[in-house]
Amino acid sequence: QQPVQSPQAVILREGEDAVINCSSSKALYSVHWYRQKHGEAPVFLMILLKGGEQKGHEKISASFNEKKQQSSLYLTASQLSYSGTYFCGTPSGGYQKVTFGTGTKLQVIP
Amino acid sequence: GAVVSQHPSRVICKSGTSVKIECRSLDFQATTMFWYRQFPKQSLMLMATSNEGSKATYEQGVEKDKFLINHASLTLSTLTVTSAHPEDSSFYICSATSGQGGGYTFGSGTRLTVV
Repeated sequence: QQPVQSPQAVILREGEDAVINCSSSKALYSVHWYRQKHGEAPVFLMILLKGGEQKGHEKISASFNEKKQQSSLYLTASQLSYSGTYFCGTPSGGYQKVTFGTGTKLQVIP
Repeated sequence: GAVVSQHPSRVICKSGTSVKIECRSLDFQATTMFWYRQFPKQSLMLMATSNEGSKATYEQGVEKDKFLINHASLTLSTLTVTSAHPEDSSFYICSATSGQGGGYTFGSGTRLTVV
């Protein structure tokens, strides 16, 4: 089952904040977050391994609530370079293959 | 950091022909690599898990005879799209993990257009 992300799309002005949510119907043991710019491959942002864990990457941070099977990505003081499509990813199986969420397209405008 | 090289970046082929896409881990050994396909404005869909020295594991609905995967060494996996048709036109991306940092590194992707 593919994790569902919300919102599907969001437009921000530079300096504004945004939250992207990722919900899974299956139990989560870890969550990845990636950003993909148009025409390019996804780039790894961070991984959250424990329930309640929060991690940060520049002004982008994330939280993980394993009980609710949810993760949220927080973007603060957004910059133009943050534009792209964000995907959460949930590893599973012996090979830890990642199933990607539905994606959230983020556009930051001046 | 870990680097995954993927070639070619773009390929146009005629319907009915085969296309091979290579994915190499440049500075680490990848016993497992993953192949994804992405249609425009959609998410990445896992096609198969490629394991060095053994048969690939395909996701439900992916034709193993059409998408041949070979993982001949710890640094190279190839995906061959056989008898390609226009509906196979897509963005194909490989990924692997070096085990450092936990995340997956992606190749730059191959945009396949079948005419």
